[in-house]
Amino acid sequence: TQLLEQSPQFLSIQEGENLTVYCNSSSVFSSLQWYRQEPGEGPVLLVTVVTGGEVKKLKRLTFQFGDARKDSSLHITAAQPGDTGLYLCAEGRGNQFYFGTGTSLTVIP
Amino acid sequence: DSGVTQTPKHLITATGQRVTLRCSPRSGDLSVYWYQQSLDQGLQFLIQYYNGEERAKGNILERFSAQQFPDLHSELNLSSLELGDSALYFCASSVGPGGRFLSYEQYFGPGTRLTVT
Repeated sequence: TQLLEQSPQFLSIQEGENLTVYCNSSSVFSSLQWYRQEPGEGPVLLVTVVTGGEVKKLKRLTFQFGDARKDSSLHITAAQPGDTGLYLCAEGRGNQFYFGTGTSLTVIP
Repeated sequence: DSGVTQTPKHLITATGQRVTLRCSPRSGDLSVYWYQQSLDQGLQFLIQYYNGEERAKGNILERFSAQQFPDLHSELNLSSLELGDSALYFCASSVGPGGRFLSYEQYFGPGTRLTVT
């Protein structure tokens, strides 16, 4: 059962543009992780959000956790080709761990 | 470099065979997770071990098994391989057993690409 929905599935933008990707669930998250995965490599943890309404920044990346803790967004400012990759949200529920299907981002130079 | 190591990096084998994938977690991490990633299924959680004990099972087939040894390295055994088992297999580690958000911060190895012909 897919608990995490990510949108858009694919995104192709020009270098310097801004973008936002989303992660949604029908259930309340206890916490949420965002990962970035480059082709042929393992996902790399970017951030964990825990508190409803929380905003975290990582250089040009801004992560927001919805007030109701059922959604999260990742905003990238002035995208660069190095941002290209698959962005995954993930959630632990008890002893299970679930990943969303991801947003595949391509930043064109 | 996440600190998680996986071997081998690539594996090509025939249907019906058995293979073993190996993972060493980050220093200090007690949990090891195994995942399968294919194009049509995304990243699927298979199984978790914490300090040598099986902690959680996900979508793991009966033909697959795993274990975590006293030195905390883990092996994933895949048997009676089928074409559909071709995928990337990732190991990840975390500090805790799960149930708390810090335990869900996982550090992934580079993966093993399995090709079944």
